[in-house]
Amino acid sequence: EPEVTQTPSHQVTQMGQEVILRCVPISNHLYFYWYRQILGQKVEFLVSFYNNEISEKSEIFDDQFSVERPDGSNFTLKIRSTKLEDSAMYFCASSDYSTGELFFGEGSRLTVL
Amino acid sequence: LAKTTQPISMDSYEGQEVNITCSHNNIATNDYITWYQQFPSQGPRFIIQGYKTKVTNEVASLFIPADRKSSTLSLPRVSLSDTAVYYCLVGDTGRRALTFGSGTRLQVQP
Repeated sequence: EPEVTQTPSHQVTQMGQEVILRCVPISNHLYFYWYRQILGQKVEFLVSFYNNEISEKSEIFDDQFSVERPDGSNFTLKIRSTKLEDSAMYFCASSDYSTGELFFGEGSRLTVL
Repeated sequence: LAKTTQPISMDSYEGQEVNITCSHNNIATNDYITWYQQFPSQGPRFIIQGYKTKVTNEVASLFIPADRKSSTLSLPRVSLSDTAVYYCLVGDTGRRALTFGSGTRLQVQP
């Protein structure tokens, strides 16, 4: 069964450092998403991406965040200068049509010290 | 985006049927209703999706009344492995993002 894969599974970084989280969506999917979940809290939407551009973003997705689909297979989330409050599990998801289900990856746990 | 309201938690026993109701009073005409399941430290997993009436798959049923202002996820004969958080989402996926609410934490006991 096709799946969304994410790397790294866990990253520890110092405050102020740049972090890139990588995702490989399911190959025929056209819509891509990043969500995050702070420990013990709900899943929060960050950004959606379609046709090589951002479709929607939340207020969490400020200038410190960016997304890119550099090579037609990977979908990355960059945090330019991490803060302590960026510590969370980051989930990538993809879907294949406008009312289709979201397929989530297993997540990348980011710990900012 | 339509806001959803669901119970914070529910308890059940193995073998029982569990019904989790979600209210979404301002659902839009183009919105679908989707339920996801999440285990600790894992990504949410799709359970079922519907637009109106009743939908059934191998793991659950989804009941949607005619006014579509609420929906009920029905899990037949739950087991311990069904202990998870269940999220009701309403929206038109694709270009519009789905927003997760607080979810319902289901605890199944032996």
